[in-house]
Amino acid sequence: RKEVEQDPGPFNVPEGATVAFNCTYSNSASQSFFWYRQDCRKEPKLLMSVYSSGNEDGRFTAQLNRASQYISLLIRDSKLSDSATYLCVRYTGGFKTIFGAGTRLFVKA
Amino acid sequence: DVKVTQSSRYLVKRTGEKVFLECVQDMDHENMFWYRQDPGLGLRLIYFSYDVKMKEKGDIPEGYSVSREKKERFSLILESASTNQTSMYLCASGRGARDEQYFGPGTRLTVT
Repeated sequence: RKEVEQDPGPFNVPEGATVAFNCTYSNSASQSFFWYRQDCRKEPKLLMSVYSSGNEDGRFTAQLNRASQYISLLIRDSKLSDSATYLCVRYTGGFKTIFGAGTRLFVKA
Repeated sequence: DVKVTQSSRYLVKRTGEKVFLECVQDMDHENMFWYRQDPGLGLRLIYFSYDVKMKEKGDIPEGYSVSREKKERFSLILESASTNQTSMYLCASGRGARDEQYFGPGTRLTVT
């Protein structure tokens, strides 16, 4: 099992839809998690951190399920501008940060 | 606003050439990172540096070396470029490894 595993997609959704991505991880000792967003041909940028109690930022909600070893990202009321690749990131301690390969999202009018 | 810049957006080199990729950050971050990004594999850490002249190997350091002579500058060196080093190279900086990492725009390197 990969250390961080994501469904590559693509997820094709209409504007206004709700879409959710999951990311599974293999090491229960993982400490912190993040979601980054990467637009086509651009660099990754932090979208949000994932806290044990869950985290919400506007239309975006991130949750952590340590028992089942996955994190999720929920996007409500999808916008065309949400089209991007979403990277699941796990910080494991020291200087080790592991990036997933990403899930591609296309939001269509 | 944090800014991380990389010396080139696109680079084409021949097999066996020595290649220098430079990265500069303007936020006085202690930590700097070099990744490569390949389709289906995500970002993989090549090297990181937690202070001037200090470096640690990441997951895939073979064929690469780094240099950090000044806090703001972190260079990646391909001693003898090979075709399997064709990739997108991303530099990042951050206050700490568990903090947000700020990425440069990337250098797409092609080795022919």
